[in-house]
Amino acid sequence: AQKVTQAQTEISVVEKEDVTLDCVYETRDTTYYLFWYKQPPSGELVFLIRRNSFDEQNEISGRYSWNFQKSTSSFNFTITASQVVDSAVYFCALSEGGLTGGGNKLTFGTGTQLKVEL
Amino acid sequence: DAGVTQSPTHLIKTRGQQVTLRCSPKSGHDTVSWYQQALGQGPQFIFQYYEEEERQRGNFPDRFSGHQFPNYSSELNVNALWLGDSALYLCASSPGGRGTDTQYFGPGTRLTVL
Repeated sequence: AQKVTQAQTEISVVEKEDVTLDCVYETRDTTYYLFWYKQPPSGELVFLIRRNSFDEQNEISGRYSWNFQKSTSSFNFTITASQVVDSAVYFCALSEGGLTGGGNKLTFGTGTQLKVEL
Repeated sequence: DAGVTQSPTHLIKTRGQQVTLRCSPKSGHDTVSWYQQALGQGPQFIFQYYEEEERQRGNFPDRFSGHQFPNYSSELNVNALWLGDSALYLCASSPGGRGTDTQYFGPGTRLTVL
């Protein structure tokens, strides 16, 4: 069975600080996909990134960066120079869906509430 | 390009009643998934529809049922509501059911059961 653990329930930082959100996953499959979503107070989940299990390259997109390490089953998310608009709940998710279809349900962690204050 | 839309936005029901929630997928998407998100929790997968058939199902009782129409829109039905069904119900669409297909979410329907 697949499982995602986000041990940090809530993080508070001051604007311009860097912050890292942790994500640890469990799966028996060799092919899987990892995601990060942002949920602002409005409730809608906003897609941020998808990584597949064959690509361990770190990725940077503006102030966001992601560190994928299969050896530790982790997919951590770092926000550099945080801003108040980054305040939201962030979810890490795992899909074991293969390339042939059959379904791609997402298993989510419990989320990390990030509060960025002035 | 319209994203995923859901209706209604909010709903209040009493125990024992039945409810129907609706979802229209993003343009070009043919797969719809439904999730239940209780307060302070991560979304839990209910089921996924593709080609008008339920393709995957999570650990939810038969009181939860769904339907997908030829235009790919979908409904989630919940019978015999009880207090524990109070949650945010999220619909997501994707261009297929493969692991590589990213799911895009709608704004959700907030259901309150009294």
